[in-house]
Amino acid sequence: AQSVTQLDSHVSVSEGTPVLLRCNYSSSYSPSLFWYVQHPNKGLQLLLKYTSAATLVKGINGFEAEFKKSETSFHLTKPSAHMSDAAEYFCVVTPWGSQGNLIFGKGTKLSVKP
Amino acid sequence: GAVVSQHPSWVICKSGTSVKIECRSLDFQATTMFWYRQFPKQSLMLMATSNEGSKATYEQGVEKDKFLINHASLTLSTLTVTSAHPEDSSFYICSARDGTGTNYGYTFGSGTRLTVV
Repeated sequence: AQSVTQLDSHVSVSEGTPVLLRCNYSSSYSPSLFWYVQHPNKGLQLLLKYTSAATLVKGINGFEAEFKKSETSFHLTKPSAHMSDAAEYFCVVTPWGSQGNLIFGKGTKLSVKP
Repeated sequence: GAVVSQHPSWVICKSGTSVKIECRSLDFQATTMFWYRQFPKQSLMLMATSNEGSKATYEQGVEKDKFLINHASLTLSTLTVTSAHPEDSSFYICSARDGTGTNYGYTFGSGTRLTVV
C-alpha cells in the first residue's frame, strides 16, 4: 500500500529566504513521486517528478527535491522564496509505472511574507 | 507540454438540475482520465477513473448514478452531476496521464467550481 505524509500543514517564510516543504512516503513498490502546486481556485501544476532516474530532481521556478530512499522522504526546497510562490503544495506518490491511482498528501500551505 | 482543458471553470445551478463538466486533452491522447473532488482547504479525493470506451471505475462511497462519467473518445471525458444538491457543491478537477514508459506525468485541468443553490 502507498501513502504520503506532508509533515507541515502550513509553512510561513519571508521573501528571499529558503523554502522547505517536507514529505514522507510509504510504498510497497518502487514509487514515482511528484510535487504539484495549486493556486486558489486553480488546477494543479506539476513542479517536478521523480521516476527512478536521478535522485535530485530539478523542477520549474527554481524548486528541487531529493529522493532519499533510506529516509523515505521527498522534501521540496527552493533557495529563495518569491511572493508568487505563495500557494498550496501537494506531494503525490504512485507505484512506478502505474496507470493511475495517485495518492495525495493533505497539502502544505506556503505563505510568503514581504 | 501536455495540456488538459476543463470547462466550465465555474457554474451555478439550481437544486435538482444536472450539470456537465468537460475535460479535454488538447495535444495528446488520454486513454485514462481521472476525476477528483476537492473540499475547501482539503486535498484531492479521487472519485473515479474514466477509461476510454468502457465503464468508469468508481471509488468506494461515490455514487455512480449521481456522478455519471463518459469517456467516448481519446481526448474527452465528461462528468455529469445529476439531480444536484447543495452538498454536491465543490471544486471538481480532472486529470489525464500523459507520456509513455518512464517519461510520464499527470496533467490536471484548471478545475470547475460547482455551486448548487
